[in-house]
Amino acid sequence: DVVMTQSPLSLPVTLGQPASISCRSSQSLLYSDGNTYLNWFQQRPGQSPRRLIYKVSNRDSGVPDRFSGSGSGTEFTLEIRRVEAEDVGIYFCMQGAHWPHTFGQGTNLEIK
Amino acid sequence: QEHLVQSGAEVKKPGSSVKVSCKASGGTSNSYSISWVRQAPGQGLEWMGGSIPLFGTLTYAQRFQDRVTITADKSTSTDYMELSSLTSEDTAIYYCARADIVVLPAVDGGDFYYYGMDVWGPGTTVTVSS
Repeated sequence: DVVMTQSPLSLPVTLGQPASISCRSSQSLLYSDGNTYLNWFQQRPGQSPRRLIYKVSNRDSGVPDRFSGSGSGTEFTLEIRRVEAEDVGIYFCMQGAHWPHTFGQGTNLEIK
Repeated sequence: QEHLVQSGAEVKKPGSSVKVSCKASGGTSNSYSISWVRQAPGQGLEWMGGSIPLFGTLTYAQRFQDRVTITADKSTSTDYMELSSLTSEDTAIYYCARADIVVLPAVDGGDFYYYGMDVWGPGTTVTVSS
């Protein structure tokens, strides 16, 4: 299985400051169709996961533009330009280029 | 955006089976892919498998392959995930997640199904306890 490794696992951030989460895959997520199948999910406390970003850098509908994704191949990053209180939760990366689809361990974002 | 409705919480004995359902509110379309993902208490997300009811295709994660069955009732656009031979390690929240159908060419000449998981259900808590 493709192993997804996130860092850091815990991310204390001051309100209004930027945040960055790294995700590394054990195999390339670039598929033969030219797309890279890496998604980011947010799970707020007590809620279901919600997809934020698909195919590396595409924001889902309703996702604030302070969230952005970047990367290629095996190295990816989720950035939050200015953290707000509602961003508290766990962030997961997920690869969809191989079976089984696999998730990172999760990064717990909290407010300092 | 559609909402997914899942069946209620379950308490099961070790060795038994559980069947969880998932249905989109207000829709009867069969043009979607469905994934089943679980989350053990305080743990991360684990993809168990997926299906495309319109095509009748099924994809299972190997570690669950012997115990999980994903089915669909096309007449009601309801999807089901049944997990058998339960142990305490199966205690978790089980989520369904839908997305558009994406079929890609596989290396072996067959089809590869990408499960995008863009709409998630509220989760069903399954507790396995004697």
